Parts: sequence; C-alpha cells; structure tokens
Amino acid sequence: DADVTQTPRNRITKTGKRIMLECSQTKGHDRMYWYRQDPGLGLRLIYYSFDVKDINKGEISDGYSVSRQAQAKFSLSLESAIPNQTALYFCATSDLRQGETQYFGPGTRLLVL
Amino acid sequence: AQSVTQPDIHITVSEGASLELRCNYSYGATPYLFWYVQSPGQGLQLLLKYFSGDTLVQGIKGFEAEFKRSQSSFNLRKPSVHWSDAAEYFCAVDPPGTYKYIFGTGTRLKVLA
Repeated sequence: DADVTQTPRNRITKTGKRIMLECSQTKGHDRMYWYRQDPGLGLRLIYYSFDVKDINKGEISDGYSVSRQAQAKFSLSLESAIPNQTALYFCATSDLRQGETQYFGPGTRLLVL
Repeated sequence: AQSVTQPDIHITVSEGASLELRCNYSYGATPYLFWYVQSPGQGLQLLLKYFSGDTLVQGIKGFEAEFKRSQSSFNLRKPSVHWSDAAEYFCAVDPPGTYKYIFGTGTRLKVLA
C-alpha cells in the first residue's frame, strides 16, 4: 500500500462548485503540504502544516483552504472553483526527525470547466 | 530574490549517452538540495539529496549529483542514459530554517533509441 494517498485521482467540476481533495498518509510524519503543478511552472506551495494545530499559507493560497483533521489527514478545498485552478495537485509529507525530505502522493488531476 | 533555476526546459539525448541536468539556486546560505523525477502520469520520486558533507552524492537509478558552493549549483548526472529515464526532472531547495521546498520549473528529458 502507498504511504501517501490522494483521493480522488481525477476530478472534473464546474465553475463555482466547492470541491475537496483529500490526502492521507501512513508514514507517521507530522508535516504535510499541498502543491499545485502547472506546465512550465514547476510545483508551487499552496498550504502547509507542521502539526495538527498548525496551518500556514504558502506561495499561492488565494482561493484555497485546508483542514488538518488528524496527523494523518490533510484536505484541500476549493471554495468556488474557477478554470485557472485546473492543475495537477500533489500532497507531500515530511518529518524533521528524518531530515527534511518530502514524500509525495500520486497526485490529483483537476479540471474546472 | 531567492530562486531556483533549471535553465533547460527540454533535453534530448540518445540512449547510452551521458546526461547532465543543471540546477542553480540563489540563496544566502547553502540550502538542502534535492532532485526528484516525475514519470508520465506519476508522482514525484526522490532521486537524491544533499544536506552536508561529501559534495558528490549518489542516488537511485544510477544518478549522481555534485554540489558546487562557488557556483551555487547542484547538477544531476548519469553516465549512460536508459530509455526508461525519459521523464521530467525537478530540482528543489529547502532554505535553512524554512522547512519548505522551492522547486525549479523542471527539465523534460527525451531519450532517443
């Protein structure tokens, strides 16, 4: 079983809809991250969380919100989706005790029509 | 401004040829350095990382990278490329004390048979 899982893997939605992307991990890591990937732009950080009570904005947080329901779960919400949020979204985890190496989930491909 | 540069958007090499992918960063202190690979439709897999010590780092799949402080570079190399190495490669840096990655924009590698 994968250590970092993301659901759904693919999603098509319409402009204005609220959607949630979920991330779960079995690595026991305390830190979790959400990124989006766009062609030619690499990965950009949306939000990150260093523990259950800690949430921080990243480089491109506008239009997104997150929830850290438990150490193992970190969800990303698009409150009112817009077409330029069409992208590939990745969740990642890390643990300071193991260095700062991040481990990535398989990604969620989102299309906003 | 702090940044990570991968100057080559696309690189094409013949199978069996050597490969070097470039990565330069702009930070005051030496960050932690990483290379990831993303195969088509897949998530990111860690190839190797540099925290300190020996400036030549060995990774998985026959890859290595050399940290050069004087050039603020962390170039990825492989002596003989295989067709299965066709993928997109990302350099990432973790500036000291931030516990967050900054990604380069990626280099897409094509391998000719």
